[in-house]
Amino acid sequence: GAGVSQSPSNKVTEKGKDVELRCDPISGHTALYWYRQSLGQGLEFLIYFQGNSAPDKSGLPSDRFSAERTGGSVSTLTIQRTQQEDSAVYLCASSLGQANTEAFFGQGTRLTVV
Amino acid sequence: AQKVTQAQTEISVVEKEDVTLDCVYETRDTTYYLFWYKQPPSGELVFLIRRNSFDEQNEISGRYSWNFQKSTSSFNFTITASQVVDSAVYFCALSEGRRAGNQFYFGTGTSLTVIP
Repeated sequence: GAGVSQSPSNKVTEKGKDVELRCDPISGHTALYWYRQSLGQGLEFLIYFQGNSAPDKSGLPSDRFSAERTGGSVSTLTIQRTQQEDSAVYLCASSLGQANTEAFFGQGTRLTVV
Repeated sequence: AQKVTQAQTEISVVEKEDVTLDCVYETRDTTYYLFWYKQPPSGELVFLIRRNSFDEQNEISGRYSWNFQKSTSSFNFTITASQVVDSAVYFCALSEGRRAGNQFYFGTGTSLTVIP
C-alpha cells in the first residue's frame, strides 16, 4: 500500500485478555517503530526494528509487551493480560532507516481495556 | 534527560495571528536531523519538515517557516496568519547521525488551538 497500515483501527478488550496489534509498513522501509500515545499525551517510544539487527526494546513498559517483525516487513505488537492502563492509541511508523529520513506514521490502533 | 523539549504545552491564538512553536534539542553528535510533525484531530501524524545539522538556512513553505539556530540548539516553527485548520498538536523530533539506522526522539508536543 501507499502508506503505513495498522489494524484493527479500534479494539475493545476485557481486562486480562491478550491482544495483537498489526502494522504493515511502507514497502522497502527497513525501520519500523511502535509508539504509544495516551489521551492528551506525547509519544512514548516502545520498540524499534532496524533491518536484521536486534530490536531496541528499551521502551517496552513491562514483560507483558512484546513485538515481532516477520520477514522484515509486517510487525505485530502483543500485549498479554491487558490492564486498564494499557488503554491508549498505539502508533506504528516506518522509515528508510537512515538518520536523515523521516518516519511515516499509520493511523494508529485505539485500544480500550474495560 | 530529555533530548527534545517543547516547553509550550498548549497555545491558543486568534485566527490570522502569527504563532511560534518552540523546540530545543540536546545532542552530542555533530551530525543530526530535526523534524516537525503535525497531528490533527484525526490522529495521524503528518511529516512537515526535516533539517540537517549542517544547514542552518531558514526555510519557508507558504505560511510555515522554520528557524534553526545551532547556537541556541533550537528549531522553532512559526505559522503566519494562522487558520483554524492549523489547530493540531505539533511535535518536534531529533535523529542522531552517529547511530546506524535512526531512532527518533520526540518532544512532548504543543497543542495549538486557533480560534475563529
